[in-house]
Amino acid sequence: EVRLVESGGGLVKPGGSLRLSCAASGFTFSTYAMNWVRQAPGKGLEWVSFISSNGNYKYYVDSVKGRFTISRDNAKNSLYLQMNSLKVEDTGVYYCVMGGGSRWGQGTLVSVSS
Amino acid sequence: EIVLTQSPGTLSLSPGERATLSCRASQDISSDYLAWYQQKPGQAPRLLIYGASNRAPGIPDRFSGSGSETDFTLIISKLEPEDFAVYYCQQYGSSPPYSFGQGTKLDIK
Repeated sequence: EVRLVESGGGLVKPGGSLRLSCAASGFTFSTYAMNWVRQAPGKGLEWVSFISSNGNYKYYVDSVKGRFTISRDNAKNSLYLQMNSLKVEDTGVYYCVMGGGSRWGQGTLVSVSS
Repeated sequence: EIVLTQSPGTLSLSPGERATLSCRASQDISSDYLAWYQQKPGQAPRLLIYGASNRAPGIPDRFSGSGSETDFTLIISKLEPEDFAVYYCQQYGSSPPYSFGQGTKLDIK
């Protein structure tokens, strides 16, 4: 069974940092591209970042460029999102998403507030 | 950047009726890279359709997708009570950002 389990969310002040993790199981993680998608409270979905299967290609939505860094460790079947200089508008549920959207984790909540 | 516009914003229908949801792109996208998702309150989204017209595994055949270039449609042929949710389209084509539409809320009339 494919499982994606996010962790690392929490409450942080503006300007702070968080590192999200996604533990993958039930599939050959190293052969799939991965994404992070977020959803602000009561709002729609927003794609945040993409990483290719080998980690060579990384893309970001403009609003997080220079602040967020996506990475992966294929030996540990794990995906990460390092989030620095957090803003109030980064608040939301962050989902780890497999490849073309076929599997989603349950999400981890990030709250940025003073 | 490709902008996806979904319509209507809200669709009020009764069980048994047919639902037609639209997703329009600001520029041509390959139909290979257009997906539809369903999201229920408190849950993660679920992939319904990929490649504009291919049902994901386990998705009932009352869900169908069609379209090309800039105009795409999701049809639910006969609504079941569990189909009332929010639906999103997404393009994940040649260049990021892999944007989502703003969503269509399908609610019970």
